[in-house]
Amino acid sequence: SQELEQSPQSLIVQEGKNLTINCTSSKTLYGLYWYKQKYGEGLIFLMMLQKGGEEKSHEKITAKLDEKKQQSSLHITASQPSHAGIYLCGARRLSNQAGTALIFGKGTTLSVSS
Amino acid sequence: GAVVSQHPSWVICKSGTSVKIECRSLDFQATTMFWYRQFPKQSLMLMATSNEGSKATYEQGVEKDKFLINHASLTLSTLTVTSAHPEDSSFYICSARDSGGSGRTEAFFGQGTRLTVV
Repeated sequence: SQELEQSPQSLIVQEGKNLTINCTSSKTLYGLYWYKQKYGEGLIFLMMLQKGGEEKSHEKITAKLDEKKQQSSLHITASQPSHAGIYLCGARRLSNQAGTALIFGKGTTLSVSS
Repeated sequence: GAVVSQHPSWVICKSGTSVKIECRSLDFQATTMFWYRQFPKQSLMLMATSNEGSKATYEQGVEKDKFLINHASLTLSTLTVTSAHPEDSSFYICSARDSGGSGRTEAFFGQGTRLTVV
């Protein structure tokens, strides 16, 4: 079965600093999703990547999927306290079926100190 | 944007009782919904796939008689935790995809339900 490894497990950065979170899969990814979660709340969709080498940005957050489609990174520029939370990467459990459930990495807890 | 609503947001129940959690897609149809469980500071673990008009598909190790799932319409799935025990206390969260042909591929998540069994 596919597993997603996220690193680091937790991260504390000073406000204004840049940071990167990584998500690595043991198998080729077909649809890699990034979500943000506040503890005890639902997931907020950030971005979805499908093609090798794809890169998407939204405000100060950029996500990339490598050419081999086995690793993704989430980069936050000039972090702010509002970026604090748990970042989860998810991927379709069955590569050839778009409607299947997502499996998730263990998450990266981000704290931003002011 | 698409919204998935979960109810209740939190619930406290006595050991031995049953609790029903609802998951509704508010502005799209979802033939399939997914139920996850999340323990403190851990990731989401898929429990089951809820299929409209048919039986749910449960993940290995999840007791189907313990966690009853009903998906009676294209916008509503329910999870009933039967004979709840303290070890069932957790954060339950559902997700749904738009199956109405909009082309949206992301999975939308409810806000989750915090269940505490005392």
